[in-house]
Amino acid sequence: DIVMTQTPLSSPVTLGQPASISCRSSQSLVHSDGNTYLSWLQQRPGQPPRLLIYKISNRFSGVPDRFSGSGAGTDFTLKISRVEAEDVGVYYCTQATQFPWTFGQGTKVEIK
Amino acid sequence: QVQLVQSGAEVKKPGASVKVSCKASGYTFTGYYMNWVRQAPGQGIEWMGRIHPNSGGTNYAQKFQGRVTMTRDTSVSTAYMEMSRLTSDDTAVYYCAREGYSSSAGRGFDSWGQGTLVTVSS
Repeated sequence: DIVMTQTPLSSPVTLGQPASISCRSSQSLVHSDGNTYLSWLQQRPGQPPRLLIYKISNRFSGVPDRFSGSGAGTDFTLKISRVEAEDVGVYYCTQATQFPWTFGQGTKVEIK
Repeated sequence: QVQLVQSGAEVKKPGASVKVSCKASGYTFTGYYMNWVRQAPGQGIEWMGRIHPNSGGTNYAQKFQGRVTMTRDTSVSTAYMEMSRLTSDDTAVYYCAREGYSSSAGRGFDSWGQGTLVTVSS
């Protein structure tokens, strides 16, 4: 199975300041079709997860442009340019390149 | 708009089975894979498997092979996840999640049910 490792596991951030989360996979996430199926999810307290970013860097519909994704191969990053109060929650990277689909452990973003 | 509505919370005894439903609306049910994931209290997310509602074809995580069965009823646009031989370790919130097309959502889980809490306790 592909292991997804996120750092940090907790990220206290000041409102208006940037935040960055790293995700590393144990194998390349480049699929034989040329796509890299790496997504980022946000889970606010008490809610189901929500898709933020797909295929490394594509913002899903309705996602604010302060969220951005980057990376390639086995190393990926989610950035929040200016953290707002509504961004508090747990963020997960996930891969759908190789079965079984797997998730990172999650990174908790909280306000300092 | 796309909506996934799951069945209500369940309390089961060890050794029993549970069946969770996920009713889809707002899109063509047979056109998208439906995935099932679970989240134990305070823990991360674990993928269990998926079903294609059109063919009924499934992919399961090895961990759940032989204990989980995913089915669907296209006449009511509903997917089901049944798990047998429950233990306390299966206490979790179970979610259904639609897998988006590669072109528009990169196989990301673009819509989620509200979750179903399954509690296994004697």
